[in-house]
Amino acid sequence: DTAVSQTPKYLVTQMGNDKSIKCEQNLGHDTMYWYKQDSKKFLKIMFSYNNKELIINETVPNRFSPKSPDKAHLNLHINSLELGDSAVYFCASSQGRTSEEAEQYFGPGTRLTVT
Amino acid sequence: QQQVKQSPQSLIVQKGGISIINCAYENTAFDYFPWYQQFPGKGPALLIAIRPDVSEKKEGRFTISFNKSAKQFSLHIMDSQPGDSATYFCAARAPTDSWGKLQFGAGTQVVVTP
Repeated sequence: DTAVSQTPKYLVTQMGNDKSIKCEQNLGHDTMYWYKQDSKKFLKIMFSYNNKELIINETVPNRFSPKSPDKAHLNLHINSLELGDSAVYFCASSQGRTSEEAEQYFGPGTRLTVT
Repeated sequence: QQQVKQSPQSLIVQKGGISIINCAYENTAFDYFPWYQQFPGKGPALLIAIRPDVSEKKEGRFTISFNKSAKQFSLHIMDSQPGDSATYFCAARAPTDSWGKLQFGAGTQVVVTP
């Protein structure tokens, strides 16, 4: 059973297009995250939702809009894609807020290539 | 700015050798220091974590050493195996940060040669 799943795994699209990445977790966690991993493998948090409420919103262009229809799902929509958006996007989830409970479980990633 | 500085960027070690990755931080509010392991094409996965009230934590061949006064912590991989070849990330979290927000280091690519 996949704990955190993402679709699609690969996404190749042209500049200016709009695309979405979907994430689902079956761990019963109440908090979900989106991370961006650039070509140098640096992991940067973008957003986090707790029980469908946005709780972390890092400095990310307005073209990126997360949506959480329920606490098991967190989608990422990207408008007007740019070359610099090419990266691997990871979804993650965790339960609670204390250190031990805050282990984050990552999905397999979505490799986005903008041409 | 990066709140957790990780070195080296890459590391090549022979099978059976010891891999050592170092991390340093400035924020004394950090109270949780996990290490994540990422294999190519996969998401990061928690490997081992430590709290600052402990100076060392060992799980199998993996050991975290923590030096609170120096604000440094390190991961030692003993008897390194080719299967340990991966990218390793240190991270830190402060209790005041929203909902488990982790500050990641830049990552260390470890290659274990046969």
